[in-house]
Amino acid sequence: AQSVAQPEDQVNVAEGNPLTVKCTYSVSGNPYLFWYVQYPNRGLQFLLKYITGDNLVKGSYGFEAEFNKSQTSFHLKKPSALVSDSALYFCAVRDGGATNKLIFGTGTLLAVQP
Amino acid sequence: GAVVSQHPSRVICKSGTSVKIECRSLDFQATTMFWYRQFPKQSLMLMATSNEGSKATYEQGVEKDKFLINHASLTLSTLTVTSAHPEDSSFYICSAIGGRGGYTFGSGTRLTVV
Repeated sequence: AQSVAQPEDQVNVAEGNPLTVKCTYSVSGNPYLFWYVQYPNRGLQFLLKYITGDNLVKGSYGFEAEFNKSQTSFHLKKPSALVSDSALYFCAVRDGGATNKLIFGTGTLLAVQP
Repeated sequence: GAVVSQHPSRVICKSGTSVKIECRSLDFQATTMFWYRQFPKQSLMLMATSNEGSKATYEQGVEKDKFLINHASLTLSTLTVTSAHPEDSSFYICSAIGGRGGYTFGSGTRLTVV
């Protein structure tokens, strides 16, 4: 079964510093991986996805993620954090079954201090 | 871009009554819609997958008679929480296949049962 793991419940970073939010995956076959951001009482906003091609994926709001097959990781990164980046971040993998449903990690709360 | 409009954003209802949540795809056809439930500071739990014109597929442990899902058209899916109880209080989010990233999420509904 497909799954993703986000090992950190919370990540704290100072504004202007680089940030990393970790995600590892376990899939059979080729992984379709996603990152979403959620602000309080809101739905999820798409940041980026990896399906195939370049291992470095660039997304919205200056975020990027690197697909690493040997480490089965898909960490989300940003060179310089903003206070407005503070939110809940979810890694997800598309299930390989007929429904194409997304399977989410447990989420990581990013707190950027001014 | 693709938009999924979810209503209401917040609802308070009395115990024992039913509540309907609507999700509409505004500029694309959503043949498949997913319904999630999210507890505070937790991940999204998939409740069911609905396909236009057919019965929804419920995840294990989700009561189909309590959470009625209807997907009668390519642009509208509804979730009805029947005979609501305080333990049904939660944040409900819909998602459709379509749009940038492959999946578009509604903005969520905060249900409070008193």
